[in-house]
Amino acid sequence: AQKVTQAQTEISVVEKEDVTLDCVYETRDTTYYLFWYKQPPSGELVFLIRRNSFDEQNEISGRYSWNFQKSTSSFNFTITASQVVDSAVYFCALSEWYNQGGKLIFGQGTELSVKP
Amino acid sequence: EAQVTQNPRYLITVTGKKLTVTCSQNMNHEYMSWYRQDPGLGLRQIYYSMNVEVTDKGDVPEGYKVSRKEKRNFPLILESPSPNQTSLYFCASSRLAGENYEQYFGPGTRLTVT
Repeated sequence: AQKVTQAQTEISVVEKEDVTLDCVYETRDTTYYLFWYKQPPSGELVFLIRRNSFDEQNEISGRYSWNFQKSTSSFNFTITASQVVDSAVYFCALSEWYNQGGKLIFGQGTELSVKP
Repeated sequence: EAQVTQNPRYLITVTGKKLTVTCSQNMNHEYMSWYRQDPGLGLRQIYYSMNVEVTDKGDVPEGYKVSRKEKRNFPLILESPSPNQTSLYFCASSRLAGENYEQYFGPGTRLTVT
């Protein structure tokens, strides 16, 4: 069965600390997509990254980086030198190929609080 | 500008009073869906549509209806809302999967049923 687990419900850090948000997924499909979304206090969902199952390269975008490891079914997200504006709820999500990429299966979300 | 719009953004209603939340996208996407977000549960899919006149149930369809008469619109209908449908609702659209596949989300509709 498909499932996404974000074991960290809440994380609190002080500004400039590095923080890693964990995401573990389960799927029977060999072709799938993984996503991270940010939900700031205003409520909208902001797309951060998409990875397909054939691309295990890690990715870096500014202070954000993602580590995809198929061997452990994990897709972790690291924020380097965190800032107060990073405070938000972060969701990891999975989309399986047989769903024609349509349905997203979300984790429960991790609420990140960055204090000044 | 590519976008998904939802209306209303906020709604407070009473039990049993039928309501419709509209969703529209301007990207000519085939796939549209509705999600609800509840604390500790993440987002769960309610209904989806893969094209005009093609709709199907997601994981939590009870108490909801949808229609897809035009490609751009995908309204969510609550025929007889109940307090357990108090939630934050998101509409999403995408192309069917491909190299540049991405889901676009609307801004959300916060619904309170008293």
